[in-house]
Amino acid sequence: GENVGLHLPTLSVQEGDNSIINCAYSNSASDYFIWYKQESGKGPQFIIDIRSNMDKRQGQRVTVLLNKTVKHLSLQIAATQPGDSAVYFCAVLSGSARQLTFGSGTQLTVLP
Amino acid sequence: DVKVTQSSRYLVKRTGEKVFLECVQDMDHENMFWYRQDPGLGLRLIYFSYDVKMKEKGDIPEGYSVSREKKERFSLILESASTNQTSMYLCASSFRTNLGRNQETQYFGPGTRLLVL
Repeated sequence: GENVGLHLPTLSVQEGDNSIINCAYSNSASDYFIWYKQESGKGPQFIIDIRSNMDKRQGQRVTVLLNKTVKHLSLQIAATQPGDSAVYFCAVLSGSARQLTFGSGTQLTVLP
Repeated sequence: DVKVTQSSRYLVKRTGEKVFLECVQDMDHENMFWYRQDPGLGLRLIYFSYDVKMKEKGDIPEGYSVSREKKERFSLILESASTNQTSMYLCASSFRTNLGRNQETQYFGPGTRLLVL
């Protein structure tokens, strides 16, 4: 099976600073990774994904880094804004599994 | 844009009632999922479906059943609601990829917050 965990349940950053949210997974066969953002009272929203044949992928203000050696995934948000305040969680798919395994989430709070 | 809708945002039911949660997606996705989300426990998979009239148990199927009569619609049924089924219920859908894998990115609905009294 797969175990997925986030390093910190909460993270507070100053507006304008960069945010880094981390995720660890256990199955070395995992080959597809997704980051979701969930605002209060809403469903999770897809942010960015990455496959195991890559170690970095960039979107608009977001970057996902994948370190397969230590089975670690991170989401970097540049110039964090108040609208970035939400719960962020990773989801991992391993080649033999038929379903995603989700981490429990990190609550990001952006301070003025 | 992918759109996944759920029939209710908030529901209040009494113990023992039969509860139907409906989910509809408009992107012709083959795969549909039902999760519940509870504080500290993250998302837990209840049931999923890879095709019409097909269903498979997830991690916590007890007390639930599902129905997929049409490709775009996936229903979650609580046969006899109990207080421990008070939760946020999330529906999701995804394409079946050409690689033969059953899952890629899942797109979620807004959720239904169910309170069982």
